[in-house]
Amino acid sequence: GAVVSQHPSRVICKSGTSVKIECRSLDFQATTMFWYRQFPKQSLMLMATSNEGSKATYEQGVEKDKFLINHASLTLSTLTVTSAHPEDSSFYICSARARLAGVYNEQFFGPGTRLTVL
Amino acid sequence: QKEVEQNSGPLSVPEGAIASLNCTYSDRGSQSFFWYRQYSGKSPELIMSIYSNGDKEDGRFTAQLNKASQYVSLLIRDSQPSDSATYLCAVNRGGGNKLTFGTGTQLKVEL
Repeated sequence: GAVVSQHPSRVICKSGTSVKIECRSLDFQATTMFWYRQFPKQSLMLMATSNEGSKATYEQGVEKDKFLINHASLTLSTLTVTSAHPEDSSFYICSARARLAGVYNEQFFGPGTRLTVL
Repeated sequence: QKEVEQNSGPLSVPEGAIASLNCTYSDRGSQSFFWYRQYSGKSPELIMSIYSNGDKEDGRFTAQLNKASQYVSLLIRDSQPSDSATYLCAVNRGGGNKLTFGTGTQLKVEL
């Protein structure tokens, strides 16, 4: 149980293009999904919190117009990196919190998407 | 002061030994605590969660929480080379869903 998938696992794109990453909870409903970014040898940095049916909440310093998040259903959230530039190259990871999560607020992570912008 | 602090390591232990990983946090209102394992190039995998003071055991893993000292640890018994990874401590401050992660401790289990 608690499986989260991400697609694509790896993407290489040219500077200026947009890239969409999908995050799906496969065997549970996720009211909340989270998007993280991780640069080499650094820890996870939360970018935004995505709640089903409402606007995402972005962390300080994250441009909401550049990183578009849509959480259209209880099992799918998407992150679109618009007009990507080389500095956006990173490992993007989503996580999902189960709808009936207990007091622990456990988050289950997808396998991540490695984005390389040329 | 960082919200969640971990020694970056690497922590090297021989195979079969006990590995002890430590984490301190700054927000006394924190309520939930997690240990994630992350292999190089992979995403984090939940290992343990703990909510109450004391010990919680799951197989070879034991999480220990001391809220008075704002300290949480992870013990790995009978360490195996496959345990070699970066271990991330994460804290939920309650009243919301967000986790704050430490920078992780790299563990190396040597043959």
